[in-house]
Amino acid sequence: DTGVSQNPRHKITKRGQNVTFRCDPISEHNRLYWYRQTLGQGPEFLTYFQNEAQLEKSRLLSDRFSAERPKGSFSTLEIQRTEQGDSAMYLCASSLKSGNTIYFGEGSWLTVV
Amino acid sequence: EDQVTQSPEALRLQEGESSSLNCSYTVSGLRGLFWYRQDPGKGPEFLFTLYSAGEEKEKERLKATLTKKESFLHITAPKPEDSATYLCAVQARGAGNTPLVFGKGTRLSVIA
Repeated sequence: DTGVSQNPRHKITKRGQNVTFRCDPISEHNRLYWYRQTLGQGPEFLTYFQNEAQLEKSRLLSDRFSAERPKGSFSTLEIQRTEQGDSAMYLCASSLKSGNTIYFGEGSWLTVV
Repeated sequence: EDQVTQSPEALRLQEGESSSLNCSYTVSGLRGLFWYRQDPGKGPEFLFTLYSAGEEKEKERLKATLTKKESFLHITAPKPEDSATYLCAVQARGAGNTPLVFGKGTRLSVIA
């Protein structure tokens, strides 16, 4: 299966620590998205890339969050100085530039204690 | 601001009992309306995209329809394996690629 791959799937960290999540999109998909989802809510948009360019960032993406896609392939989402409110599932998704269907990965669960 | 409201929040059906889930939306020009299925602890799984009022799409026991203000996901003779949260999302028209705006979902439980 060559779907969207995310790791780690689960991360427990102490408040104040930094965490990094990785996303490998479907090959040939040049658009990559990050969303965040908390219990009982739908996914909320964080940011998206077209190739290596970060084209849009949500106001939800505070200064402690940074995302990169250095060679237009995989992407990383780093959260610095984590807070308990950062506990959520972080979803990565990808799509073709010419297509509308956005495919999601299995998500990375973050618990900040 | 683009908004999506799904109802009911939760739905419990007996196996074989058909029903419909509702997705009401307001968007500044619709590019597409999406339905996803999400199992507990997993990412959303794509089901359908609808682009214009009157469009319908089907997949197994699911049928999605679209009007100018809402979409319905009809489930015919559901089975326990259809139990999941069903998410609706809209994408607005824009100069670039606008992000999906999701509703909170409908949690469906199908009891054998």
